[in-house]
Amino acid sequence: LAKTTQPISMDSYEGQEVNITCSHNNIATNDYITWYQQFPSQGPRFIIQGYKTKVTNEVASLFIPADRKSSTLSLPRVSLSDTAVYYCLVGPYNQGGKLIFGQGTELSVKP
Amino acid sequence: NAGVTQTPKFQVLKTGQSMTLQCAQDMNHNSMYWYRQDPGMGLRLIYYSASEGTTDKGEVPNGYNVSRLNKREFSLRLESAAPSQTSVYFCASSAVNEVAGYTFGSGTRLTVV
Repeated sequence: LAKTTQPISMDSYEGQEVNITCSHNNIATNDYITWYQQFPSQGPRFIIQGYKTKVTNEVASLFIPADRKSSTLSLPRVSLSDTAVYYCLVGPYNQGGKLIFGQGTELSVKP
Repeated sequence: NAGVTQTPKFQVLKTGQSMTLQCAQDMNHNSMYWYRQDPGMGLRLIYYSASEGTTDKGEVPNGYNVSRLNKREFSLRLESAAPSQTSVYFCASSAVNEVAGYTFGSGTRLTVV
C-alpha cells in the first residue's frame, strides 16, 4: 500500500469548514483513496472513498487533483461531534487484507 | 443490531497469564481482522483471516495466536501476557477484501500488570 502523510492534529471551531490533506506521492494507477473516522473509545468507521476528481456523500467531500498525489477530505460546518481521528488510506480497491492505518489526524472541534 | 461484537470489553491480566479475546460478526463477512491500538498511535494489524480456514500474520503478530473458528468467529489468544501487550484491541470484518468495507467492533481494553 502507498505511504501516506497527513497532519498529526488540527483544531477547529464549530461551524467552520475543515480540510484535511493527505499526501501520497507514490500512489499506483489502481489505488483508491479511502478515509476512515474514529471517535474516542470506538472502532474506526468508513466515511468516504474516491479514485479521482470529487466525491461527496452525506458526511464529507473528497477532492482529488488530476495527478492524484494528494487528496483533501472536507468536512462542512463541523460540530463538536466531529471531534475524532481521521485516517487516510491508499491502496487497491480489493486488497484490504493488510489494511494499514497510519497515525491519522486528530481533529479537535471547539465551541 | 448487525455488526461486530467483541468480548470482554475490559480485562486486567497479570504478567504470564493467558486469555482469549472473542470476536463474532453477523454480517456473513468472509474476512476478519485483529488490530491493536496504543495511545497516540494508529491501528496496527496483528492477524487477519481472508476467509474461513485461513489466517495470516500482520504487522505485529509476535506473542499472539488466532483461530478462525467458523465464518462468524475469530479469536485472538495471548498465551503469556506481557505489559507490552497492554492496548486496546479491535476486531473488524469485511465482505471481501474491499478497503471501504471494514466494520469494526467497539474494542477490548486490556491491561497487563
